[in-house]
Amino acid sequence: ELKVEQNPLFLSMQEGKNYTIYCNYSTTSDRLYWYRQDPGKSLESLFVLLSNGAVKQEGRLMASLDTKARLSTLHITAAVHDLSATYFCAVELDNYGQNFVFGPGTRLSVLP
Amino acid sequence: DAMVIQNPRYQVTQFGKPVTLSCSQTLNHNVMYWYQQKSSQAPKLLFHYYDKDFNNEADTPDNFQSRRPNTSFCFLDIRSPGLGDAAMYLCATSGTEGLQTQYFGPGTRLLVL
Repeated sequence: ELKVEQNPLFLSMQEGKNYTIYCNYSTTSDRLYWYRQDPGKSLESLFVLLSNGAVKQEGRLMASLDTKARLSTLHITAAVHDLSATYFCAVELDNYGQNFVFGPGTRLSVLP
Repeated sequence: DAMVIQNPRYQVTQFGKPVTLSCSQTLNHNVMYWYQQKSSQAPKLLFHYYDKDFNNEADTPDNFQSRRPNTSFCFLDIRSPGLGDAAMYLCATSGTEGLQTQYFGPGTRLLVL
């Protein structure tokens, strides 16, 4: 059974600081996804990582995937308040777009 | 341009009274999912369709059923809602070629009285 863990589960950080959220998983997979969820809203796709060593960047967020270590990171650079949200990673069990397992989420609060 | 649409956005029902939530998509994706998400928790997959092929998660209660009459539409039926079924229900779709990220609808928040 695939297990997906994230840490930290809660993160409070000051504006302007850098931090990294970690997502690790228990079974071989080379497809990993990051989503953002604002309170009371649905999930928004942030990054799709499809191979070992994949790195994607959008604004102040950068995601990477190490399939050998079964680890993905979401790095936040110079955080701003607008980044406050819950971030989920999700791992795909197969390559047919059918089976995703979500991590528990990291609730991020960026304080002024 | 809405791609995954859910109706209604808010649904109030009574304990034991059947309720149906609907989802439609304009992406022509093969796969449609239903998730249940309770407060401060990750989305929990209930079931998914690959075309017309239905795949139920092992721990999804029998109280939850689904129908997919065509590619565009998928329904979630809760036959006898209990208080514990109050949650946000998310519909998502994905393709099976190229980028396979899931596209989520806005969700239906269900309240059971």
